[in-house]
Amino acid sequence: QSALTQPASVSGSPGQSITISCTGTSSDVGGYNYVSWYQQHPGKAPKLMIYDVSNRPSGVSNRFSGSKSGNTASLTISGLQAEDEADYYCSSYTSSSTLENVVFGGGTKLTVL
Amino acid sequence: QITLKESGPTLVKPTQTLTLTCTFSGFSLSTSGVGVGWIRQPPGKALEWLALIYWNDDKRYSPSLKSRLTITKDTSKNQVVLTMTNMDPVDTATYYCAHTDQLLFQFDYWGQGTLVTVSS
Repeated sequence: QSALTQPASVSGSPGQSITISCTGTSSDVGGYNYVSWYQQHPGKAPKLMIYDVSNRPSGVSNRFSGSKSGNTASLTISGLQAEDEADYYCSSYTSSSTLENVVFGGGTKLTVL
Repeated sequence: QITLKESGPTLVKPTQTLTLTCTFSGFSLSTSGVGVGWIRQPPGKALEWLALIYWNDDKRYSPSLKSRLTITKDTSKNQVVLTMTNMDPVDTATYYCAHTDQLLFQFDYWGQGTLVTVSS
């Protein structure tokens, strides 16, 4: 069981917008602004899409955006395209006592209809 | 251009020790703020972070696997090595190494991954 909770699947039609949620606790998502999102196509390595909750690395389309409210982070993809069909994982920094850690969500499969 | 590539055995037996090497280019692991981490993914399952080593040799480990993991670096060879002891079939996974730079456990460049199967 993953530390962060994501929906198993979401779907949308080309041109539409979708949002993927990532729910944690006050010890991870809610406690730090170090939430990231990764896109993974089948058989490929993950690709960083969002870091520090809402920042996009250079080269990532501005159709991808991130946000956070309380213990839940969200990834929104606007203007869905066929190439967006992939698995998406959220992650969050967490720390307790002297132990630093990063936890991942269980992943969400995005289907573009 | 930053690249990373994992290498190591594709098959290990239960109880054996796994040694994986990450060979990278395009950055130096002696530059302040830079780190290399290891993340694994069992077939059809989610990502799991394992370990991270920083430019100053500071190391971090997954609390659940800490007793089995060792991460080291060889800056002159541009390599990071991960060892995992007492391998079990549940450790079967694709193992990735990845780069981070001032991103606090967020990884912006990843290797292609290497599938390690644990079976007798």
